[in-house]
Amino acid sequence: DIQMTQSPSSLSASVGDRVTMTCRASQSISTFLNWYQQKTGKAPKLLIYAASSLQSGVPSRFSGSGSGTDFTLTISSLQPEDFATYYCQQSYSTPQAITFGQGTRLEIK
Amino acid sequence: EVQLVESGGGLVQPGGSLRLSCPASGFTFSDYNMNWVRQAPGKGLEWVSYISTSSATIHYADSVKGRFAISRDNAKNSLYLQMNSLRAEDTAVYYCARLRSFGGSYFFDYWGQGILVAVSS
Repeated sequence: DIQMTQSPSSLSASVGDRVTMTCRASQSISTFLNWYQQKTGKAPKLLIYAASSLQSGVPSRFSGSGSGTDFTLTISSLQPEDFATYYCQQSYSTPQAITFGQGTRLEIK
Repeated sequence: EVQLVESGGGLVQPGGSLRLSCPASGFTFSDYNMNWVRQAPGKGLEWVSYISTSSATIHYADSVKGRFAISRDNAKNSLYLQMNSLRAEDTAVYYCARLRSFGGSYFFDYWGQGILVAVSS
């Protein structure tokens, strides 16, 4: 199985900050990488798919990049509603091999 | 508006069974592959099972293989998960999720609100 490792596991930042978090795959997954946001007690919400495509309705301050094994989610200017846990997810060309990273918790400084 | 609403969860003893349901609305259910994803308390997300549009292709995570059965009824726009031989480690919030693909990448674009399954004596 392909393992996904997110770093850092937690992150403190302030409103208006630029924030970057990373996701590393245990083997190359091309651009088959997606990002989700999850707030406490709520279902995950899709932010970015195929490494860099913004899901409809998601603010443009969210962006994704990377290919191969290393990927990045960037929030250009943190808003109060962005404090949540973020998960990456890979699906290396098949829906039966879907795995998630362990999450990065974004907290208010 | 796309809606997925899970039901059927609750408290069950180890070794027991539960059947989760997820009626869908707001989209053509028969056009989409569907999945179950779970999240143990305080933990991350774990993919559980996949079913194709016609039910011809089904996959399970190794952790549930042989104990869980996914199914769908396109006439009723509903997804199901039959869970047997439940264990304490199956305790989690279970989400039904719609699967989309783009350029070979598979991702979940809509999720239900989740339903708690608690396995305990």
